[in-house]
Amino acid sequence: AQSVSQHNHHVILSEAASLELGCNYSYGGTVNLFWYVQYPGQHLQLLLKYFSGDPLVKGIKGFEAEFIKSKFSFNLRKPSVQWSDTAEYFCAVRDNNAGNMLTFGGGTRLMVKP
Amino acid sequence: EAGVVQSPRYKIIEKKQPVAFWCNPISGHNTLYWYLQNLGQGPELLIRYENEEAVDDSQLPKDRFSAERLKGVDSTLKIQPAELGDSAVYLCASSPIGGDGGELFFGEGSRLTVL
Repeated sequence: AQSVSQHNHHVILSEAASLELGCNYSYGGTVNLFWYVQYPGQHLQLLLKYFSGDPLVKGIKGFEAEFIKSKFSFNLRKPSVQWSDTAEYFCAVRDNNAGNMLTFGGGTRLMVKP
Repeated sequence: EAGVVQSPRYKIIEKKQPVAFWCNPISGHNTLYWYLQNLGQGPELLIRYENEEAVDDSQLPKDRFSAERLKGVDSTLKIQPAELGDSAVYLCASSPIGGDGGELFFGEGSRLTVL
């Protein structure tokens, strides 16, 4: 079964610092990739997604992610974080060869200091 | 547009007691999911419905967990009897059939504490 690894469980940054959160999935084939975000006290919501085409995808709030097939990775980036980016971030992989099941990583809790 | 609605938001029970969670998906969304989220972990699928049919319940512990979606709209997840290890957040999500197949719309979750 597909598994998703997020390398950093907790990240603390100062405002304006650059962000990169790692995400790796276990094996290839046709996959769709997602980043979800959960702000404090709110529900999970989609940040961005990759289905096909340009491997560099842009999402809301200045976030982007790059799909590198050879590395089974889909890292999330933002050039300059804001205090309002404090949240928990989840990478998810939908394996089209395994019943389209969506598998989530364990999440990365980001705290941005003002 | 109203989002996915779940209730209750919080529930505290003693072990061996029953508990039920309710979910109303976004109108028109045929696919409904129940996920379990333990502290510090990502959501894990318990069951997925297409309309009223459970199409993936392989991760649902059927000895104590049950779910239903009788009319293909709202759904109930039940635990009977609850155990200490069931303390977690139970998330409901929905998506439209024939949509891009990827984005799930989540509710705010039901946080269960078993004492």
